Amino acid sequence: DAGVTQSPTHLIKTRGQHVTLRCSPISGHKSVSWYQQVLGQGPQFIFQYYEKEERGRGNFPDRFSARQFPNYSSELNVNALLLGDSALYLCASSLWHRGRGTGELFFGEGSRLTVL
Amino acid sequence: AQTVTQSQPEMSVQEAETVTLSCTYDTSESDYYLFWYKQPPSRQMILVIRQEAYKQQNATENRFSVNFQKAAKSFSLKISDSQLGDAAMYFCAYRSGGGSRLTFGEGTQLTVNP
Repeated sequence: DAGVTQSPTHLIKTRGQHVTLRCSPISGHKSVSWYQQVLGQGPQFIFQYYEKEERGRGNFPDRFSARQFPNYSSELNVNALLLGDSALYLCASSLWHRGRGTGELFFGEGSRLTVL
Repeated sequence: AQTVTQSQPEMSVQEAETVTLSCTYDTSESDYYLFWYKQPPSRQMILVIRQEAYKQQNATENRFSVNFQKAAKSFSLKISDSQLGDAAMYFCAYRSGGGSRLTFGEGTQLTVNP
């Protein structure tokens, strides 16, 4: 079975541009989360979506947005890119257990964004 | 807010030896999960082991085991019989019981020497 897939794997943008990152969850997983990992640091939570609804949002500016599609794939959008947005963006999918929250997270290999 | 602290930026171990990675956390919640993730150069975050806070017994997965000290809010990872493939960045992470987000520590870079 395919794991969590992300695209693109690498991309380079300039300040002020916009970027869209894509994620396909493991088949059967309806929850998708996004994390930002700056070089040398642990990942930071950005968003979680379940059944196309936002279920959680981390401490990120409004330039960051996301959505989930009927097939449970997801996009992360970042507008007006800043140098500080350079990072590895990780997507994770999971099952959702009612009353118990998110099950085990399965991560993709990430999208490496460089902002020049 | 919950915080996770890993005080060892780097650790090294000889192949076949045992190494322990440290993690402390801060929370006022009683229902939570703790995790150790491994991130090799391939970048993919891989779950190593998980511990439910309500379980007193320490979790074990083959060569990996944890020492969960709930009162001290400590959650260390022991790797026995270290292998070259264990070399990676290791992250400790926290999640609330009914929540969705992981809070990660800063990571510990583990080197395994042949």
